[in-house]
Amino acid sequence: GENVEQHPSTLSVQEGDSAVIKCTYSDSASNYFPWYKQELGKGPQLIIDIRSNVGEKKDQRIAVTLNKTAKHFSLHITETQPEDSAVYFCAAMHPGAGSYQLTFGKGTKLSVIP
Amino acid sequence: DSGVTQTPKHLITATGQRVTLRCSPRSGDLSVYWYQQSLDQGLQFLIQYYNGEERAKGNILERFSAQQFPDLHSELNLSSLELGDSALYFCASSVEITGNTEAFFGQGTRLTVV
Repeated sequence: GENVEQHPSTLSVQEGDSAVIKCTYSDSASNYFPWYKQELGKGPQLIIDIRSNVGEKKDQRIAVTLNKTAKHFSLHITETQPEDSAVYFCAAMHPGAGSYQLTFGKGTKLSVIP
Repeated sequence: DSGVTQTPKHLITATGQRVTLRCSPRSGDLSVYWYQQSLDQGLQFLIQYYNGEERAKGNILERFSAQQFPDLHSELNLSSLELGDSALYFCASSVEITGNTEAFFGQGTRLTVV
């Protein structure tokens, strides 16, 4: 099955700096890569995603890049703000015969220091 | 608000007992997924239903079972509970079973087994 590795597990940055979280996946058939933000006591919230036919996608201060050859994808947050502090999860979707599932990385706890 | 509703929010029960967790998907979503989140394991996929039928199984124990009803709500049944079953249980829903569609999560049920 699919295996998703996520690094780092914790990340502290100063407010205004950039944060980068990296993930690798194992199954070359995976074709959809969402990122979720989870705040304390809440469910994961989809913040951005990228499909395998795209190399980069940007939405305001967040961007995601995908390298299919190397099987890795990254989340970039620029101009970080205290409200960006949360746990971020990457995931990879593996399509199958009439079904699919999302396999998640173990998460990165991002702390933005004011 | 993701539109996915989970009840109850919190559940405390004793070892050996049985509990039922409930999930109402977003309006129009046919797929429901269940995930278990514990501190050391991240988000583990348990099972997926599509329009009432089981479609994919992940790391779900035999003591656990699920179903999706004609109105598309889903229930996750956990029996013979053990201390190690204490975790957050999330439900997510999406429109399609295949293809690159977003999955939206509920707020989760925190299960504590004492």
